[in-house]
Amino acid sequence: GAGVSQSPRYKVAKRGQDVALRCDPISGHVSLFWYQQALGQGPEFLTYFQNEAQLDKSGLPSDRFFAERPEGSVSTLKIQRTQQEDSAVYLCASSPDRVYEQYFGPGTRLTVT
Amino acid sequence: QQQVKQSPQSLIVQKGGISIINCAYENTAFDYFPWYQQFPGKGPALLIAIRPDVSEKKEGRFTISFNKSAKQFSLHIMDSQPGDSATYFCAATLTTSGTYKYIFGTGTRLKVLA
Repeated sequence: GAGVSQSPRYKVAKRGQDVALRCDPISGHVSLFWYQQALGQGPEFLTYFQNEAQLDKSGLPSDRFFAERPEGSVSTLKIQRTQQEDSAVYLCASSPDRVYEQYFGPGTRLTVT
Repeated sequence: QQQVKQSPQSLIVQKGGISIINCAYENTAFDYFPWYQQFPGKGPALLIAIRPDVSEKKEGRFTISFNKSAKQFSLHIMDSQPGDSATYFCAATLTTSGTYKYIFGTGTRLKVLA
């Protein structure tokens, strides 16, 4: 079956622009996670949704970062007024209910110039 | 206290050899320990995972050894193959108030020489 998909795969933004990154989780997966992965580093937790409820957003680095999952399936991570330090790969993962295993998408590589 | 420390940063192994990657943690509340494999340009893929009430888990050529008292766990790749060349991440899961999150290590870049 289809895995987690993310779009766009690559995004170049000028400093100060807003960007929106999309995640399509595996159908039926209740939990959805966003991670930020800097070059040569492990993924770092940003936020977690259970269905449409955002239960944990403790990893969002600033109020310029905003995530939503309005219908409990597709999720969007929005970054306002992008800065150079936002350059990273943004990973989305999903998992079934009450299951720890997370299935990752290929990521969106964001480059802020 | 929520860190997971991973070593080595990089590893070179001959084909057929054993690759060993180690991770250590401090928080005893972690309750699930997965290992992920990541190829360039791809997202991490779950390789194998263990819960803290088990000391060892084996799946094919991959084995996790878990030492609860030492708060350490390791991944062993037996008969390493060039196709195993990738970056490996350990992680630990923290469950609080019905939610959970992964804390990842910093990764080990494995290269298996043909």
